Amino acid sequence: GEDVEQSLFLSVREGDSSVINCTYTDSSSTYLYWYKQEPGAGLQLLTYIFSNMDMKQDQRLTVLLNKKDKHLSLRIADTQTGDSAIYFCAESIGGGKLIFGQGTELSVKP
Amino acid sequence: EAQVTQNPRYLITVTGKKLTVTCSQNMNHEYMSWYRQDPGLGLRQIYYSMNVEVTDKGDVPEGYKVSRKEKRNFPLILESPSPNQTSLYFCASLSNYGYTFGSGTRLTVV
Repeated sequence: GEDVEQSLFLSVREGDSSVINCTYTDSSSTYLYWYKQEPGAGLQLLTYIFSNMDMKQDQRLTVLLNKKDKHLSLRIADTQTGDSAIYFCAESIGGGKLIFGQGTELSVKP
Repeated sequence: EAQVTQNPRYLITVTGKKLTVTCSQNMNHEYMSWYRQDPGLGLRQIYYSMNVEVTDKGDVPEGYKVSRKEKRNFPLILESPSPNQTSLYFCASLSNYGYTFGSGTRLTVV
């Protein structure tokens, strides 16, 4: 069945770049998403990429998609303490359904 | 402001006592969904609705019911809650650019 995998934790120093990785299994995915969840809050859509794109950049965020390896990554440049959160990768498999990864908890140390 | 509103934010209840978690969206979206979030498992879809009076099971529907009598509302009903339904619940509605999530309902069943 469909599956999305992420590592559970990532720790970086303030000012460094963060790279959060995700792998997925469904090759028919149309969109892939990154969501951010701050403590006590819901999920906030950060960015998304169409499955026919390789890269998308939005200010400090860069999304890379390798369809051959079914690998998605989110790079956050100049990571700040306010970026500390849980980041979820999700793939859209049609019919409005999203499959989420387990979430990566990003910890940014001053 | 476009939003998805869930109530209550926190709920502690006893096993077997019926409860309803309400969800309302003001974006006129057709597609709505309920997810539960559990540590290490990410978000799993409980039920979804593609339009008024059209609902279907997600990945973990056991013990839950939903209804969609009007487009804006999509309540989640637990007829006889059990402790394994202790979780964080999110309602979401879908636009062309992804899901908008509510702030979540933290349910504890004792």
